[in-house]
Formats: sequence, structure tokens, C-alpha cells
Amino acid sequence: DAMVIQNPRYQVTQFGKPVTLSCSQTLNHNVMYWYQQKSSQAPKLLFHYYDKDFNNEADTPDNFQSRRPNTSFCFLDIRSPGLGDAAMYLCATSRDLRTGNQPQHFGDGTRLSIL
Amino acid sequence: ILNVEQSPQSLHVQEGDSTNFTCSFPSSNFYALHWYRWETAKSPEALFVMTLNGDEKKKGRISATLNTKEGYSYLYIKGSQPEDSATYLCALGRRDDKIIFGKGTRLHILP
Repeated sequence: DAMVIQNPRYQVTQFGKPVTLSCSQTLNHNVMYWYQQKSSQAPKLLFHYYDKDFNNEADTPDNFQSRRPNTSFCFLDIRSPGLGDAAMYLCATSRDLRTGNQPQHFGDGTRLSIL
Repeated sequence: ILNVEQSPQSLHVQEGDSTNFTCSFPSSNFYALHWYRWETAKSPEALFVMTLNGDEKKKGRISATLNTKEGYSYLYIKGSQPEDSATYLCALGRRDDKIIFGKGTRLHILP
């Protein structure tokens, strides 16, 4: 049973046209993460929510925003996608914030293409 | 700057052979070391989370060791099978709650 669900699996958008990626979880985890992964690169953390507290990474462009309306859902909004934003976007959850003995649970990812 | 390095980047192994690969990390600010398996078109799946120096964990034919003093972890696969073909990611959990991923080792099992 899928526990972290990302929609859609593939998203194509036009240069500059806003796009929203969706993530939902059935684990009731406190923390939700968004990662960007470009080809052959390490997944790069964009931001995370601990409950309703939003934590942005220092080097995440302003073009990327996130919303978490409730425990189950988290959205990634890209306001004006550029060609460099084409990537795989991974959503993950963890029960708590300490990155100790708690694995992250990932969705299948959304592959974003920019025309 | 904290970097997690994985080697090799890519690996081809004959079915039935055993193999291993490395994750290295700066040992300061260490809190935990995670290993994930990421098969094509699937989500990354957690294999191990290790926190103590000398930790050794096993899951079927896969095992991992951890040396926090020198900053490395090894992942071993015994008797490789086609289903082991995947990218293996390691990630460092830091005391400031950041988690930093390596680029992964891409493992191909040859029939």
C-alpha cells in the first residue's frame, strides 16, 4: 500500500508557467520534505515542514514555495519554472525531525519537464 | 561545507558475485547514516539507519558497517541477484537535523 503518494508522476509545463506538485501521506508523520534531484546528482533538500513550521534551505531559490494545509498534504509550487528546474522532485516524510534512527519514507517522485 | 561521497559511481557485477561500495562523510556533526535502495520507477526504500560507531546491520543478503571516527560506511551485497540492480544512496543525518545525500552508486547486475 502506497504510504507517500506523489501526483502526477510526470509533469510537463511551459517555461514561466506556474506549476504545482502534490504529495500526500497516510503515515501521520510530523515532517514532510521536498527534494530536487537532477540527473546523476544527489537529491537536494529544498525545504521541510515540521508540523506547520516551514523550514527553507538557505540556497533554495525564491521561485520555489511550499504549502502544507494539513498533516496529510504538502505542495510544491514553482512560480516561474525555468529550464534549469527540470528535475525529479521527491517528497519524503519522517515521524520526527531528528535524523537519528528514523528512516525517511519517499514517494515515487514527479519528473518535471519544461518546454 | 559537508560533502557525502559515494564510490564507485557505477558498478557492473556478474550475477552470483558479491560486491561492496563505499560512503564517506566528514565525521564532525555526525548523528546517523542512512542507506536507501532506489529502483528505477520506484521510490527510494530505506535499507538501514545506523548511529553507533562499529554498527553492523544485515537484511537478507545485504549488510552495512559504520565507522564514525574515520567517516565511512560500507554496503555489502552477497551473491548478487538481478533484483539488486538499483541506485544505492547513502545520506548523513547531522546534529542540526540536516540530512545530506550522496550521489549514489548505480549497481547493474549482469545475467
